[in-house]
Formats: sequence, structure tokens, C-alpha cells
Amino acid sequence: GAGVSQSPRYKVAKRGQDVALRCDPISGHVSLFWYQQALGQGPEFLTYFQNEAQLDKSGLPSDRFFAERPEGSVSTLKIQRTQQEDSAVYLCASSLALAGGLYYFGPGTRLTVT
Amino acid sequence: AQTVTQSQPEMSVQEAETVTLSCTYDTSENNYYLFWYKQPPSRQMILVIRQEAYKQQNATENRFSVNFQKAAKSFSLKISDSQLGDTAMYFCASRTGTASKLTFGTGTRLQVTL
Repeated sequence: GAGVSQSPRYKVAKRGQDVALRCDPISGHVSLFWYQQALGQGPEFLTYFQNEAQLDKSGLPSDRFFAERPEGSVSTLKIQRTQQEDSAVYLCASSLALAGGLYYFGPGTRLTVT
Repeated sequence: AQTVTQSQPEMSVQEAETVTLSCTYDTSENNYYLFWYKQPPSRQMILVIRQEAYKQQNATENRFSVNFQKAAKSFSLKISDSQLGDTAMYFCASRTGTASKLTFGTGTRLQVTL
């Protein structure tokens, strides 16, 4: 595809349920990022992959959050036992490389935990 | 740690007029990048303009230009000849030369009116 795609675009989960959010980066992009954007706030960094290696997961808020990118392309962000404070838009971004910081963002997944 | 501050939660400008969005940042690094992103209601984060800290010349992209004051750690965005399509949230962001993640401000909501 021409850009970064994310699915689903909207997800409603009951508290305690597990969810999985998918990101399809631009083909050939080695770097992939996940950000969490709470309502009315700027995006906050969650984690970063270079190919299949997760090089930085310092932004993951708890051990309920897990991300993977097993083949260096598609990535999945999994949230276990969702809580209301997990409600946010989850943005994925990819980059051909680190240099220049040209990140391309997906449209995000809006997660609502009820 | 890097911080980015946007002190204007909302701004309004009439079509064809000029508006300036403010941003200040704090970093101990010498090598860093600064960005302005636009996020329309569709949530797709779009890069508007970027500035490398080592470049003294202010970046310009068509109707968008920045006023980069390195000593004051200020990075404002000027939008000339505002158009209705400029209506969006605008986020200022920074990244150090060696880091992967972007640090965002809280955003400024810009409304362009007739």
C-alpha cells in the first residue's frame, strides 16, 4: 500500500478483555514505532522496532502491554486485561531509516475500554 | 530528557490571514531535530515542516515557515495565507540525533474561519 495502515480503526473492549492492534508499515521501512495518544494530548512514545528487533520499549506503561514484529514488517500491539485508562488512540509510524526523522504515521486505532 | 511545550491550546485565524503557533523545547543535546505535525480530524499525523538544529537558516515549505531561535529554545510555526484546509491540531515535536522517539507537545487546535 501507499501508506501506513492500521486495523481496526475503532475497537471497543470491556474492561479485562485482551485486545490486539495491527500495524502495516510502508513496505521496506525498517523502523516502526507505536505511540499512545490520550484525548486532548500529544502522542506518547510506547516502543520502537528496527526490523524484528525491539530496541526500545521504555514507553510501555505496564507489563500488560506487549508488542511484536516477528518478521520485520507487520507489527501487533497487544494489551492484556484492558483498563479504562488504556482508552486512547494508538498510532503507528514507520520510517525508512532513523536519519532525517521522516516518520510516516498511520490513521490510528481508537480504543475505548468500557 | 526532552520536553516540548505548546502554550496555546487553541488559536483562530481568518482565511488568507497569517497565524503563528508557539513552541518551546528543552534538551541538553547539541544535535537534534524539530518538527511540526498537523493532525486533522481523520487523525492522520502529517509532517508539515522540520528543522535540523545545526542549520541556522529557518526552514520553509510553501506557506509554512518556522522561526527557530536556538538560544531561546523556541520553534514557532508561521502559516501564511491561511486556508480552510489548515484547520487541524498542530503538534510541535523534537528528536535528538541519536534517539529514535519523537517527543510531542500537547498541541494547538487551529481553526481557520471565513
